[in-house]
Amino acid sequence: DTAVSQTPKYLVTQMGNDKSIKCEQNLGHDTMYWYKQDSKKFLKIMFSYNNKELIINETVPNRFSPKSPDKAHLNLHINSLELGDSAVYFCASSQDLATIQETQYFGPGTRLLVL
Amino acid sequence: GNSVTQMEGPVTLSEEAFLTINCTYTATGYPSLFWYVQYPGEGLQLLLKATKADDKGSNKGFEATYRKETTSFHLEKGSVQVSDSAVYFCALLTGNQFYFGTGTSLTVIP
Repeated sequence: DTAVSQTPKYLVTQMGNDKSIKCEQNLGHDTMYWYKQDSKKFLKIMFSYNNKELIINETVPNRFSPKSPDKAHLNLHINSLELGDSAVYFCASSQDLATIQETQYFGPGTRLLVL
Repeated sequence: GNSVTQMEGPVTLSEEAFLTINCTYTATGYPSLFWYVQYPGEGLQLLLKATKADDKGSNKGFEATYRKETTSFHLEKGSVQVSDSAVYFCALLTGNQFYFGTGTSLTVIP
């Protein structure tokens, strides 16, 4: 069974469209994250969500909005897609907020290409 | 601020060669340090970690020692295999947030 799953695996879309990426974890974790990995492999956190509180990274444009229907899901919705949004987006989860005891489990990634 | 700097890749080695991937960090407080590995088409997986100065993390033949005096956490392996081909990320954890390096791509050829 996949611990952290993401759909779709690949997403190709036109500039200006609105799209969503879904993430689900079956580990019973309370904390989930979204990371963006650019073409140079640089991995940067976008959001973390700890069951009760959404922590927003200030450098993320407000076109990006995470939505959590329950603690097992953290979806990423992107409005008005731009070319620079092309990247691989990784979802991750941990039992609680990141600490040395809390291993993060990553999903396989969603490869987004904006044309 | 907090940041991680890794050596530029890509790195190409022959099987059984010795591997070193350099990592240095800048952090406030006392961070924990990690190495993650990303195999082709997969997400990141924790490889090893260290919580305090002079700690050595090890796993699958890889080692890294937390050096506070040089703010470094270099990854080493004595004899690499083709299956070690992947992208390796150094990361630090402080204030409940991870900061990742840019990743170093390793290709091991038979």
